[in-house]
Amino acid sequence: EVQLVESGGGLVQPGGSLRLSCVASGFTFSSYWMHWVRQAPGKGLMWVSRINTDGSGTTYADSVKGRFTISRDNAKNTLYLQMNSLRAEDTAVYYCARPLSVGVRGVIIDAWFDAWGQGTLVTVSS
Amino acid sequence: DIVMTQSPDSLAVSLGERATINCKSSQNILYSSNNKNYLAWYQQKPGQPPKLLIYWASTRESGVPDRFSGGGSETDFTLTISSLQAEDVAVYFCQQYYSTPRTFGQGTRLEIK
Repeated sequence: EVQLVESGGGLVQPGGSLRLSCVASGFTFSSYWMHWVRQAPGKGLMWVSRINTDGSGTTYADSVKGRFTISRDNAKNTLYLQMNSLRAEDTAVYYCARPLSVGVRGVIIDAWFDAWGQGTLVTVSS
Repeated sequence: DIVMTQSPDSLAVSLGERATINCKSSQNILYSSNNKNYLAWYQQKPGQPPKLLIYWASTRESGVPDRFSGGGSETDFTLTISSLQAEDVAVYFCQQYYSTPRTFGQGTRLEIK
């Protein structure tokens, strides 16, 4: 059974830092791109970041670029999100999500999200 | 960035009746080389993560009841629930995976009338 378990959320003051973790099991973690998606309380879903299979390629939403860093440890089956310079608007439930890898004309794309963790709540407040 | 806009924001439908949710993308998300629309639909119930329902705009995920169907192409898409059940009360999101950043619709809240 595919499982993604996030941890590391909590209450932090504006300007502070947190590191989120997502431990994966039930699949070959090193074969999948991984993403972080967040959801502010009562709001919709916002894509945050993604990382390729070996960690050499990362992409970020403009709103977090320069403040957040995504990384992974394939030996530990763990995805991370280092969040610095946190703002009130970063308050959200953070989900790690696994996209299905799909081959299109010889190119592998990270497509729809077929597995999600339960999420970890990050609250930025003084 | 591709903007995804859903309508309506909320919807109340009687049990057993049809529910239709619309999703419009600001750019064409049909990839010509494989003739596939890069669109997925998710269902989210309170306190739970999203659950995949549909991908490639119209392919049902394994285990999803066949009352759920997806349609549309290029920029206009629909999610239809043919006969609403009580367990379908949820928020529904569309999402494009044609380009990065991945973007979601704002969500449609579906309730029982």
